[in-house]
Amino acid sequence: GAGVSQSPRYKVTKRGQDVALRCDPISGHVSLYWYRQALGQGPEFLTYFNYEAQQDKSGLPNDRFSAERPEGSISTLTIQRTEQRDSAMYRCASSLGGAKNIQYFGAGTRLSVL
Amino acid sequence: AQSVTQLDSQVPVFEEAPVELRCNYSSSVSVYLFWYVQYPNQGLQLLLKYLSGSTLVESINGFEAEFNKSQTSFHLRKPSVHISDTAEYFCAASNQAGTALIFGKGTTLSVSS
Repeated sequence: GAGVSQSPRYKVTKRGQDVALRCDPISGHVSLYWYRQALGQGPEFLTYFNYEAQQDKSGLPNDRFSAERPEGSISTLTIQRTEQRDSAMYRCASSLGGAKNIQYFGAGTRLSVL
Repeated sequence: AQSVTQLDSQVPVFEEAPVELRCNYSSSVSVYLFWYVQYPNQGLQLLLKYLSGSTLVESINGFEAEFNKSQTSFHLRKPSVHISDTAEYFCAASNQAGTALIFGKGTTLSVSS
């Protein structure tokens, strides 16, 4: 596609429910990144894929968070048993790979856990 | 620890005034530095980047940033701002492994007439 697409744009859920956030990267982009941005803060790294391989998941806060990119394109970030503290903007980015290549961001998914 | 610090959370200025948004990075990050901008209700967009070469980099809409290794800074400047520059600006650095960006907390630039 023309840009990084994230869905849904907004998600409201009740505490304890599972949520799945989707990211469709720019066609041909090898690397895909997930970030979380709390109100008043900058984005914080969650996890990173090269093709379908999850290369770094050091930013995932606990085992309720997981991500996959099974075919090296679309990625899903899943949060199980959501808690109020999970409320944030979740951002996805993609790039051609490597530190010098620009990361292009989607519009984000705003998650609210009630 | 790897970190990026934006010293000002909010910068209010009048139209056509000069502005500087400050950014400092820890020496433990790489020297690949970026400024991203977020306009209201939009995603993050790259404004400019420093990868190597000339320490002064420019954007197409009149912003510039200078990489200063001795002061570990990458401040963003514009000599004359417009109302349309109102947005949140994020400074970022690539981590040493090149696997992620480390962002500052952001600076909200508010331009009024």
